[in-house]
Amino acid sequence: NAGVTQTPKFRVLKTGQSMTLLCAQDMNHEYMYWYRQDPGMGLRLIHYSVGEGTTAKGEVPDGYNVSRLKKQNFLLGLESAAPSQTSVYFCASTDRNQPQHFGDGTRLSIL
Amino acid sequence: QKEVEQDPGPLSVPEGAIVSLNCTYSNSAFQYFMWYRQYSRKGPELLMYTYSSGNKEDGRFTAQVDKSSKYISLFIRDSQPSDSATYLCAMSGNRGSTLGRLYFGRGTQLTVWP
Repeated sequence: NAGVTQTPKFRVLKTGQSMTLLCAQDMNHEYMYWYRQDPGMGLRLIHYSVGEGTTAKGEVPDGYNVSRLKKQNFLLGLESAAPSQTSVYFCASTDRNQPQHFGDGTRLSIL
Repeated sequence: QKEVEQDPGPLSVPEGAIVSLNCTYSNSAFQYFMWYRQYSRKGPELLMYTYSSGNKEDGRFTAQVDKSSKYISLFIRDSQPSDSATYLCAMSGNRGSTLGRLYFGRGTQLTVWP
């Protein structure tokens, strides 16, 4: 019973590099989410998906892209990383009107 | 103005104290209310989940929702050092932009000292 698994757990990037964060859930949930958490800002929604093949923008989508090719996976991409994207990234999943289940986060530093 | 307001604290109490954590909100479409606990370097974990107004109790934890005042609370009785964490309130609704999305408070950092 893994729940929501995020990889990698830590990463350091240089400005301008690209990378992809992977989120995998084994609960057959329809909805998946990507958040970033910064000190004093709480959790802010980047993008989300209400089903396989669908994505939608959240509060802070600029600089990020996402894909949901398989129901169990939700990928978050940074095409050209910037220092302002240094943060802790959380993935979550749920079914409609149920609480969200979170992964343990990816700590990303961009130098 | 954020849709969900939560005092970030920090809040520091002695072991055994009763802790009260609160959030206010502005969107009357919210119907589902949650409290998450987040330990350092971990993801948020669900603590309490309630629908509409009323109280819900689970062991030492009680969640209250007052929709008329747009105010929710979490009470922790007989607090323990293991309760030291950040507590996040969250809410969602059934229609429009509230459907399928959680709106979070900024979290309250709680320390319970022995």
